[in-house]
Amino acid sequence: SQQGEEDPQALSIQEGENATMNCSYKTSINNLQWYRQNSGRGLVHLILIRSNEREKHSGRLRVTLDTSKKSSSLLITASRAADTASYFCATGGYSSASKIIFGSGTRLSIRP
Amino acid sequence: DAGVIQSPRHEVTEMGQEVTLRCKPISGHNSLFWYRQTMMRGLELLIYFNNNVPIDDSGMPEDRFSAKMPNASFSTLKIQPSEPRDSAVYFCASTPGRFSYEQYFGPGTRLTVT
Repeated sequence: SQQGEEDPQALSIQEGENATMNCSYKTSINNLQWYRQNSGRGLVHLILIRSNEREKHSGRLRVTLDTSKKSSSLLITASRAADTASYFCATGGYSSASKIIFGSGTRLSIRP
Repeated sequence: DAGVIQSPRHEVTEMGQEVTLRCKPISGHNSLFWYRQTMMRGLELLIYFNNNVPIDDSGMPEDRFSAKMPNASFSTLKIQPSEPRDSAVYFCASTPGRFSYEQYFGPGTRLTVT
């Protein structure tokens, strides 16, 4: 069964607007990662936030983590057409050799 | 580095045939993961290896699926016999280990079983 569930399943916004995607998970985690998948391609790692962190930034990306609510959000500011993709959260194990479980993803479309 | 390499990129086969998917992880990475992605089931972990040893194969759907990693630079996923419901995109990913959790994905193999 999937650990993380993204919300919404699909999101369409105007170029330049901000996009927010949410992820909820069920069990305790060591870290949470966000990945992007362009159509027909493999997943690409975007950012990792550890369970003892509450917020993390990387360029136009901002990730928050609320372990009390078992939820995370990914904010993409000033969206661009190239941001059109599916975005997945993934919850990891307690070692780098552990498996991670991916959510079902949010399909983001940026309208020009 | 060339990244994770998968072959073939596309495979079309008839039901009952054997299918072998190949993966070359990034040099120096010590964990390798096989995933299957479909619209209905999303991204599923099939099996993963650490230092060439299978750690968890609980995601392998049936005995028709098998995976090997004979050395640190090569892994195969075999389906024998293949069925139409095996049609999916199969991804291989590797991680450096050593406290690095980021997974590096290959481009995937799109399998169609008719």
